[in-house]
Amino acid sequence: GAVVSQHPSWVICKSGTSVKIECRSLDFQATTMFWYRQFPKQSLMLMATSNEGSKATYEQGVEKDKFLINHASLTLSTLTVTSAHPEDSSFYICSARDSSSGRGKLSYNEQFFGPGTRLTVL
Amino acid sequence: GENVEQHPSTLSVQEGDSAVIKCTYSDSASNYFPWYKQELGKGPQLIIDIRSNVGEKKDQRIAVTLNKTAKHFSLHITETQPEDSAVYFCAAGTNAGKSTFGDGTTLTVKP
Repeated sequence: GAVVSQHPSWVICKSGTSVKIECRSLDFQATTMFWYRQFPKQSLMLMATSNEGSKATYEQGVEKDKFLINHASLTLSTLTVTSAHPEDSSFYICSARDSSSGRGKLSYNEQFFGPGTRLTVL
Repeated sequence: GENVEQHPSTLSVQEGDSAVIKCTYSDSASNYFPWYKQELGKGPQLIIDIRSNVGEKKDQRIAVTLNKTAKHFSLHITETQPEDSAVYFCAAGTNAGKSTFGDGTTLTVKP
């Protein structure tokens, strides 16, 4: 159990276009999802925290108008990179956590990560 | 905010030997300490975690120790195998809060 999927797994786009990445929790309801980006041989950098039904909380230095996050349901969050540029090329990873009470199956604040999306902007 | 330091950045061991990776954190409010294994081109996978009310946890060849006073925790892998080769990340966080990741350790297990 506790599977998180991402789509697409990789995408190549032209500079100036927008790209949408989906993150889905397949067998649990995720009240909280996190979006990270990871450059080669570097750690995961948290971009934003997404709570279902409310606005995302962005980390310092992350442009909310450039990286649009929508968490419209308990199983889906999307990240849209608007007007992408080559410097946005990176590995984007989401994670999901079931923070609700009463679910004995999942550890309280354990994060389950998706497989990542490789974005290349030409 | 939380600051997590991880050492070493690279670690090479012979198959069968043990590997130890250490992390320190700064925020005394942190109470959840997971370890992740990331293979090339994939997302991180949780391999073990520990909470602040426990000093040690073991799962087969993997163990984690936590010293809250000193604010450090360590990952121990015994009887290493080539398939253990990957990048390992520690993290520190709080209940219902976000986790801060270390910079990662590239572990290479030589056959």
